[in-house]
Amino acid sequence: DVKVTQSSRYLVKRTGEKVFLECVQDMDHENMFWYRQDPGLGLRLIYFSYDVKMKEKGDIPEGYSVSREKKERFSLILESASTNQTSMYLCASRAIGGGGNTIYFGEGSWLTVV
Amino acid sequence: AQSVTQLDSQVPVFEEAPVELRCNYSSSVSVYLFWYVQYPNQGLQLLLKYLSGSTLVKGINGFEAEFNKSQTSFHLRKPSVHISDTAEYFCAVTPGGAGGTSYGKLTFGQGTILTVHP
Repeated sequence: DVKVTQSSRYLVKRTGEKVFLECVQDMDHENMFWYRQDPGLGLRLIYFSYDVKMKEKGDIPEGYSVSREKKERFSLILESASTNQTSMYLCASRAIGGGGNTIYFGEGSWLTVV
Repeated sequence: AQSVTQLDSQVPVFEEAPVELRCNYSSSVSVYLFWYVQYPNQGLQLLLKYLSGSTLVKGINGFEAEFNKSQTSFHLRKPSVHISDTAEYFCAVTPGGAGGTSYGKLTFGQGTILTVHP
């Protein structure tokens, strides 16, 4: 089974702190994604990466950056956390081509900024 | 660009009753369509997907969905629900063409909370 692992399920951070959310997938997938989920808004794409060291902004990239130094790991960075970034963050991955029609999600990271 | 509208934010239903969760989309290009389910405090699990071929798609847990191109809809149905189906359901689309870099950039609807009562 494909596994997308978000190491931190619940975090509480202070305003202005630098926050790292880590995501690891074990199936050698090329594409990885970070989404943010808020009630009534569904999921919105923050950033995605189509291969190592390659990234592209999604629909709501402001206040976030990403890092993909290794194929299996995709990190979301909040340079200076703010209370409006309190949310659930979901990582996803998929393979290109062949059976790459399925997108797999992690369990989510709940971030509270106080 | 794509957009997805889930027409009901909440759907209450009694156990063993049928249910339909409605999803409409708009897109200037062909799309692939998905339904995901999210149980409390968990990530998203794929229920079913439409890529091409038969417009009636069967998924896990007895769910099915029908793609209607003329009405740009992809409604999810189950003939008889269980208490365990209580969850939030998301409809999503992505540009067609699995090999392209745009694929996987899912656009989600707002979600429908299905609550099954005994």
